[in-house]
Amino acid sequence: ILNVEQSPQSLHVQEGDSTNFTCSFPSSNFYALHWYRWETAKSPEALFVMTLNGDEKKKGRISATLNTKEGYSYLYIKGSQPEDSATYLCAFLNAGNMLTFGGGTRLMVKP
Amino acid sequence: GAGVSQSPSNKVTEKGKDVELRCDPISGHTALYWYRQRLGQGLEFLIYFQGNSAPDKSGLPSDRFSAERTGESVSTLTIQRTQQEDSAVYLCASSLAAGGRWETQYFGPGTRLLVL
Repeated sequence: ILNVEQSPQSLHVQEGDSTNFTCSFPSSNFYALHWYRWETAKSPEALFVMTLNGDEKKKGRISATLNTKEGYSYLYIKGSQPEDSATYLCAFLNAGNMLTFGGGTRLMVKP
Repeated sequence: GAGVSQSPSNKVTEKGKDVELRCDPISGHTALYWYRQRLGQGLEFLIYFQGNSAPDKSGLPSDRFSAERTGESVSTLTIQRTQQEDSAVYLCASSLAAGGRWETQYFGPGTRLLVL
């Protein structure tokens, strides 16, 4: 069983605040790390796929970094908006193309 | 193009009944996955289909669960003799092909199953 952990489990921030959360995963047999955003009543939506140690990806106000040697990825949101409220899932991809998901970080942005 | 679709969107059933959930993947996607999320828990892998290869059933929680896929199209997940602990959101995802480390999985909207 692969251990993929996310912290914190939930996060409340004010509109305009910047925030970040963590995904920890096994540092061996690494293939890729996915980030998904899951809004209530919608399908999970892919944000980033990261494959190389030191990768940094950015999409608008959201960015992510990857450290495969120590087994963690950070997701950053700059200037949070209410529409950023969602559960952010990371998933560790192993050699069998199986995704093992973390428990998610539930972000709530108050206007 | 159309995304992954799932039906029904919601299903309420009585304990002991069988249910069948359907997934229509994105056309051309050879890989198809089923996951579930029970209340308060993370996404749990159930089963994986890739082309004509034998499916990876390693995530199925019991022999009451089974899934089929017709070629590279529709898949059905069947739960026999449902139990209350089967209540969850069942998600289907598809991707272009297995083996690519940067492939994105595209998820359907899910089926919310409630077993009374």
